[in-house]
Amino acid sequence: SQTIHQWPATLVQPVGSPLSLECTVEGTSNPNLYWYRQAAGRGLQLLFYSVGIGQISSEVPQNLSASRPQDRQFILSSKKLLLSDSGFYLCAWSLQGGDTIYFGEGSWLTVV
Amino acid sequence: KNQVEQSPQSLIILEGKNCTLQCNYTVSPFSNLRWYKQDTGRGPVSLTIMTFSENTKSNGRYTATLDADTKQSSLHITASQLSDSASYICVVSSYTGNQFYFGTGTSLTVIP
Repeated sequence: SQTIHQWPATLVQPVGSPLSLECTVEGTSNPNLYWYRQAAGRGLQLLFYSVGIGQISSEVPQNLSASRPQDRQFILSSKKLLLSDSGFYLCAWSLQGGDTIYFGEGSWLTVV
Repeated sequence: KNQVEQSPQSLIILEGKNCTLQCNYTVSPFSNLRWYKQDTGRGPVSLTIMTFSENTKSNGRYTATLDADTKQSSLHITASQLSDSASYICVVSSYTGNQFYFGTGTSLTVIP
């Protein structure tokens, strides 16, 4: 069966510091991968999605970036965090052409 | 424009009572509709999936309905429990380009 792992689960970072959140999917090949952000009490906002290695589409312009160095690995990064980057980040995957999206456990980021 | 709207935004009910959450969508072409449950600080987990031809589907105390003509879905929770306290998110998928459209969720609080 397929599983998705996301880490770290919680992170407290000072303003201006770098960020790296990592996500891996097991049990499937060539999945679509997604990064979402969820502000407190708000809906899910799509940040990036990828349909293959090295292929990244950005939905919202910001100081975050994403990379897909391997087929089942998706990384969310920032060179300098802002206070507004605080939130709950979710990695997700779906099959190519699939109609269901599956989520990781999420990562709480607090920028102080 | 493809949109998913949920109501109410939040709901407080007594333990043991029933409740119904609503989801209206304008997504086209329609593939399926899923209801997810998201516990605080966790990733969303799928409860039910509704395809175009299905009118109702149950999963334990959860019953989802779909009216594809009016583009409305509901999630009915029977005999609520404290553990039902969570955010419930309606997600509609489209055949076009692996698109997933998210509602902003209904925050349900079950009190003893």
